[in-house]
Amino acid sequence: DAKTTQPTSMDCAEGRAANLPCNHSTISGNEYVYWYRQIHSQGPQYIIHGLKNNETNEMASLIITEDRKSSTLILPHATLRDTAVYYCIAQHSQGAQKLVFGQGTRLTINP
Amino acid sequence: GAGVSQSPSNKVTEKGKDVELRCDPISGHTALYWYRQSLGQGLEFLIYFQGNSAPDKSGLPSDRFSAERTGGSVSTLTIQRTQQEDSAVYLCASSLAFWGSRETQYFGPGTRLLVL
Repeated sequence: DAKTTQPTSMDCAEGRAANLPCNHSTISGNEYVYWYRQIHSQGPQYIIHGLKNNETNEMASLIITEDRKSSTLILPHATLRDTAVYYCIAQHSQGAQKLVFGQGTRLTINP
Repeated sequence: GAGVSQSPSNKVTEKGKDVELRCDPISGHTALYWYRQSLGQGLEFLIYFQGNSAPDKSGLPSDRFSAERTGGSVSTLTIQRTQQEDSAVYLCASSLAFWGSRETQYFGPGTRLLVL
């Protein structure tokens, strides 16, 4: 699986959009970009995933560059409950796959 | 519907004792995964089961660790002769894992293991 690179930490004001970047320059054609987050003392939670088109769901939006070497997770109106560690993972699309977690980005939403 | 459940939620044991951790996956999910997270560290893959295939044990740190999945549902992770470095949160996840499907794993709340 492709290695991903994320900033160690970020801060965002409550109510603002939080934009979390991820680099995955060695991603292969059949690898999806997945985002999970882990709120303190809880198990990881799936957020969103995409292949090459931008995606949006009730939690977030995912913007993937045309060359697929990087992506950005957008939380449009961050709340204090969005404070968590966010993990970007490049993962093959088919069947069972073990997730390889990096260190992620620790996002802190400030009041 | 019900999510992934794990028991116990917390376990304190003495060095050298054996422990068993249980995971109940989401009904119908064919793949089951175990990960662990040591204090202040990232998540580390341990083992996964996919249907009737042989499990992928490539992440187990030593032969003191083993896991089984009975009847394609419940799984038990066993740690024999526990050591202090085994202290961690042990997380279980499950997924549909149909061939050709995009894979999303759903995690349980974890078991916090403390070895004294």
